[in-house]
Amino acid sequence: DGGITQSPKYLFRKEGQNVTLSCEQNLNHDAMYWYRQDPGQGLRLIYYSQIVNDFQKGDIAEGYSVSREKKESFPLTVTSAQKNPTAFYLCASSLQSGGAPKLGGYTFGSGTRLTVV
Amino acid sequence: DAKTTQPNSMESNEEEPVHLPCNHSTISGTDYIHWYRQLPSQGPEYVIHGLTSNVNNRMASLAIAEDRKSSTLILHRATLRDAAVYYCILRDLYNFNKFYFGSGTKLNVKP
Repeated sequence: DGGITQSPKYLFRKEGQNVTLSCEQNLNHDAMYWYRQDPGQGLRLIYYSQIVNDFQKGDIAEGYSVSREKKESFPLTVTSAQKNPTAFYLCASSLQSGGAPKLGGYTFGSGTRLTVV
Repeated sequence: DAKTTQPNSMESNEEEPVHLPCNHSTISGTDYIHWYRQLPSQGPEYVIHGLTSNVNNRMASLAIAEDRKSSTLILHRATLRDAAVYYCILRDLYNFNKFYFGSGTKLNVKP
């Protein structure tokens, strides 16, 4: 079955350390996204990518970096510059065709819970 | 970006219908209304979407006001597994498909 795989499910980071969260999809979706969710809050957009080798900042991109070298993969690096990285991170993907996105929905991964120790 | 407004929480009894409201007074003509729900410690899952007409699927129904400034997600018979946070979001057909999720409505279902 097609879907999005996020790994690891739980991740612990030491102060000053960079960590990378993996996101892989086999849905042949064009667009991919990273969201951050804090307890009791909604989702906030970190980065998104419409096509390979291109990505844009979302609302809270500071302290994060991404790459999109393959259509299937969109890893997120949480750098030491992110002062409060403890959160639940969600990756998603969606179809996009030409200039108008297809009206499919988002497909989300199961998330990575990052904790600073 | 067009925003939506939802109640923070709602409560329902099991086996009863639930009506989850959403206001989107600044909706544009090319915005589709989407609903997602999120179970604890999981990613959101798609529930339903619509433009102008009411929509039904196996999970729920979506009732859209004639002026499109509000909509209601209807769960016909709530079960304990429907306890989740429900998000109402707008998606523009022609602009890039970034979704903006608010805080949603936390639905509690009582046995």
